[in-house]
Amino acid sequence: NAGVMQNPRHLVRRRGQEARLRCSPMKGHSHVYWYRQLPEEGLKFMVYLQKENIIDESGMPKERFSAEFPKEGPSILRIQQVVRGDSAAYFCASSPEGGRYTGELFFGEGSRLTVL
Amino acid sequence: DQQVKQNSPSLSVQEGRISILNCDYTNSMFDYFLWYKKYPAEGPTFLISISSIKDKNEDGRFTVFLNKSAKHLSLHIVPSQPGDSAVYFCAASDHSGGSNYKLTFGKGTLLTVNP
Repeated sequence: NAGVMQNPRHLVRRRGQEARLRCSPMKGHSHVYWYRQLPEEGLKFMVYLQKENIIDESGMPKERFSAEFPKEGPSILRIQQVVRGDSAAYFCASSPEGGRYTGELFFGEGSRLTVL
Repeated sequence: DQQVKQNSPSLSVQEGRISILNCDYTNSMFDYFLWYKKYPAEGPTFLISISSIKDKNEDGRFTVFLNKSAKHLSLHIVPSQPGDSAVYFCAASDHSGGSNYKLTFGKGTLLTVNP
């Protein structure tokens, strides 16, 4: 499968625990984006990363959330000390170019986080 | 404040008929619009897009119309097929600001095409 791969597909955490969501972009793509979909809402942009660089994190909550895209390995979205309001579907997308790229973003199947 | 609005949460259409999904936006800086389709437990997949320099874009059974003065776009599917049943998201971006990757999505419309 050459698509965007996300894991885990489902993650259950208790309040105060940490959640780590992983995303491997499509082959040949070096630009990764994370979006969050809260229940009954549309997807909302969180962060844009290239290898070893955060390009735009304007959509990330100021606390508890962080993202990285290391030189080797998948991109990781990390949520520390999760709260019930973090329960959502987290989608990763990738593209072959960034900047003023006018093509589509390719989305993964999402990771569903449930906080008990 | 919702900058992209899809006011119909759901739409039901008979197979073979036309499906029309509507979307309104408030941010006049948006200059690129996309429709994504999403099946349950899957990620959104790109369907069709339109730049603000155009008022229509067609791809097979799918046509998107853009009315800039009304800040309104619509997706027409004709003829509708049962396999088109999915949630359709309207999305917009501001290319002029360079942040074309920062899509603003509507809440989606669930289309059901009945056989």
